[in-house]
Amino acid sequence: EAGVAQSPRYKIIEKRQSVAFWCNPISGHATLYWYQQILGQGPKLLIQFQNNGVVDDSQLPKDRFSAERLKGVDSTLKIQPAKLEDSAVYLCASRSTGPETQYFGPGTRLLVL
Amino acid sequence: AQKVTQAQTEISVVEKEDVTLDCVYETRDTTYYLFWYKQPPSGELVFLIRRNSFDEQNEISGRYSWNFQKSTSSFNFTITASQVVDSAVYFCALYSSASKIIFGSGTRLSIRP
Repeated sequence: EAGVAQSPRYKIIEKRQSVAFWCNPISGHATLYWYQQILGQGPKLLIQFQNNGVVDDSQLPKDRFSAERLKGVDSTLKIQPAKLEDSAVYLCASRSTGPETQYFGPGTRLLVL
Repeated sequence: AQKVTQAQTEISVVEKEDVTLDCVYETRDTTYYLFWYKQPPSGELVFLIRRNSFDEQNEISGRYSWNFQKSTSSFNFTITASQVVDSAVYFCALYSSASKIIFGSGTRLSIRP
């Protein structure tokens, strides 16, 4: 079974630029999550999708971050415009409707200069 | 409020020593799940174990064992006969019936040859 796929793996941009990350969850997993992990900290949930609907986006900085999962499968997370403090690893995870275990992708490491 | 505390920021031991990683959690929910994840230098979070709040049986998997004690709100993780490949950051996480997962700040484990 293929795991959660993410791209790109690394991205370097200048502040005020835009960036987008892509995630393809494990096949059949209805729930998809985006996390932000700042160096030295645990992952922080940004947004949770159930199929193509948003379940929780309470910690998403909506003035600059947006995410979508139009067809209920893959998802994109966008930052526009980026700030220095957005430098982090962005992790995507998915889980099936039954067990609560989340499975994580390799992450996208973002550096904002 | 929910909280996960991993008081040990870094641990360093010599190979073949046993090591215990502590995790203390707070929740008002009666139904919840506890997790341990491993994050090697590659960055991907690897699922190790899930425990639900109604199952206090300790678990052993090879050199790994977990001690879940509701009385002290702890879910500790022990590696027996540690190996260099065990070097990673380990995260404890709590998932409640409100469908949100919260991670601790992680413990960086270094195994010296």
